[in-house]
Amino acid sequence: EVVLTQSPATLSLSPGERATLSCRASQSVTSFLAWYQQKPGQAPRLLIYDASNRANGIPARFSGSGSGTDFTLTISSLEPEDFAVYYCQQRTNWWTFGQGTKVEIK
Amino acid sequence: QLQLQESGPGLVKPSETLSLTCTVSGGSINRNNYYWGWIRQPPGKGLEWIGGIHYSGNTYYNPSLKSRVTISVDTSKSQFSLKLRSVTAADTAVYYCARQLNYPDNWGRGILVTVSS
Repeated sequence: EVVLTQSPATLSLSPGERATLSCRASQSVTSFLAWYQQKPGQAPRLLIYDASNRANGIPARFSGSGSGTDFTLTISSLEPEDFAVYYCQQRTNWWTFGQGTKVEIK
Repeated sequence: QLQLQESGPGLVKPSETLSLTCTVSGGSINRNNYYWGWIRQPPGKGLEWIGGIHYSGNTYYNPSLKSRVTISVDTSKSQFSLKLRSVTAADTAVYYCARQLNYPDNWGRGILVTVSS
């Protein structure tokens, strides 16, 4: 099983700041990694697929990068609606999720 | 617009079988490239993939749950279903159904299932 480790667990930032979230895989997942956003009481929403492709309707301030074992989700300038929990997920070896990073208002 | 809706009991007794159904509307379940899956999330915790099914009946399951899980599809009703046997308190979670191409891109709202006597 591929284990995904996300860091930091919590990120405290202000609106307008840049957010950088990390996801590290226990073995290479090539580029088969996605990012999701989840708000309280809601289902996760697909943001990025295959490491760097934005899903339909996702604003350009969200971007993904990386390959192999190290991946990054960047939110260039935080909007109030971006404060949420973010999960990475791989599809190379079964499907597993990271434990999440909470982006909270500072 | 594609919509998925979970339904089923919100309370299940320990050792019994959890049964949920997902109804797909606004689109066809008979899409060749898509799988239809179940994912769960214990309260306050992260996400766990349970498994999924193609409209042809081809299934895949999380190896850690495979011995207790059955997923089936009824294309005439645009539904797919989850059965999880011999449940314990550890199976208490919000259960989501989702459409999946390579990743789940369309999710239901989720249903909380509590395992308790």
